[in-house]
Amino acid sequence: KQEVTQIPAALSVPEGENLVLNCSFTDSAIYNLQWFRQDPGKGLTSLLLIQSSQREQTSGRLNASLDKSSGRSTLYIAASQPGDSATYLCAVPGSGNTGKLIFGQGTTLQVKP
Amino acid sequence: KAGVTQTPRYLIKTRGQQVTLSCSPISGHRSVSWYQQTPGQGLQFLFEYFSETQRNKGNFPGRFSGRQFSNSRSEMNVSTLELGDSALYLCASSSRQGSETQYFGPGTRLLVL
Repeated sequence: KQEVTQIPAALSVPEGENLVLNCSFTDSAIYNLQWFRQDPGKGLTSLLLIQSSQREQTSGRLNASLDKSSGRSTLYIAASQPGDSATYLCAVPGSGNTGKLIFGQGTTLQVKP
Repeated sequence: KAGVTQTPRYLIKTRGQQVTLSCSPISGHRSVSWYQQTPGQGLQFLFEYFSETQRNKGNFPGRFSGRQFSNSRSEMNVSTLELGDSALYLCASSSRQGSETQYFGPGTRLLVL
């Protein structure tokens, strides 16, 4: 059974810092991995999707890496800003190529001005 | 393109009642998935629909049901509401069945009293 874990659960950093969020999964046979952002009380915004054949994916100040063999992904945020404050979630598909996503519990990030 | 829309946004019900939530996917998207989000359990998968057929179902009791219409709009129904059904219900759409980027709506917040 696939399980997804995110560490740390919460993170507080001063503005301008570079930071790394971690995601681990127990079953390395995944089709892809997605990172999402959720603002309080809102829906999820897709940030990056990394296919199983890719090592990393970049979008602006965000860079996500994937190491299937070790069951890990990291989300790197460069030059953090207060507007980056949110909960970040990673998710992998359930067994096979399915639209069912299994989510981690998320990392709540606070960037202080 | 308009994003995923969900109605209603907020709902208050009492135990024993039933509720129907609606989700309109992004135009052209044929896959709709539903998730329940609670502080204790995080995001949990409810169902996935593609072309009016349920393709996947999560581990929820039979009180939770759903359907998809020919225009890809989807509804989920919860009967005999319990206090523990209080949650944010999120739907997501994608263009194809299977694992790819999912776009989430703002959610329906259900409070059961």
